[in-house]
Amino acid sequence: GNSVTQMEGPVTLSEEAFLTINCTYTATGYPSLFWYVQYPGEGLQLLLKATKADDKGSNKGFEATYRKETTSFHLEKGSVQVSDSAVYFCALSDEGGGADGLTFGKGTHLIIQP
Amino acid sequence: DTAVSQTPKYLVTQMGNDKSIKCEQNLGHDTMYWYKQDSKKFLKIMFSYNNKELIINETVPNRFSPKSPDKAHLNLHINSLELGDSAVYFCASSPLDRGFVGELFFGEGSRLTVL
Repeated sequence: GNSVTQMEGPVTLSEEAFLTINCTYTATGYPSLFWYVQYPGEGLQLLLKATKADDKGSNKGFEATYRKETTSFHLEKGSVQVSDSAVYFCALSDEGGGADGLTFGKGTHLIIQP
Repeated sequence: DTAVSQTPKYLVTQMGNDKSIKCEQNLGHDTMYWYKQDSKKFLKIMFSYNNKELIINETVPNRFSPKSPDKAHLNLHINSLELGDSAVYFCASSPLDRGFVGELFFGEGSRLTVL
């Protein structure tokens, strides 16, 4: 079956530091890949997505590139802010689309200190 | 207007009770889901409904039953609550069942605590 593996947290960084959160996946075919963010006390929000190999998703200064050769979708940001503190989830969707839901990684708690 | 709304946001109850969590989406989406998030933040899909038809039922105890009166609503009913049911339950929706890249829109969650 499908699976997503993320680096364990919490990840603690200082403001303006460079961020990388690793994500690798196992799936058959060509899944779509996502990063979701969950701020404290809220539901998950889509941060960015990529639907095919070598696509780069980007939003709010975050980027991730769909690497089929390494089955990875690492999240990066050049300069983090305190407001980026949240839990980040990597996820994939089967080729068939949304009816099967998303398979999520276990989440990475990011803490940004001023 | 809230796109996906759940009620109640917090629910504290005793073991053995029966409870329901309601979910409504005003996005006109075709598919709705229930996810369970445990204390370690791990998310697991429980159910999805497309046009009132159950599509997925993962290995969830039959004490949990989704009920969809119409396309905009998917309620979760839980019988004989157990301590292990304590979690945050998220409702979500998506526009299409096939050929879509799978973006989900989530509610804010309902925190269930079973004592």
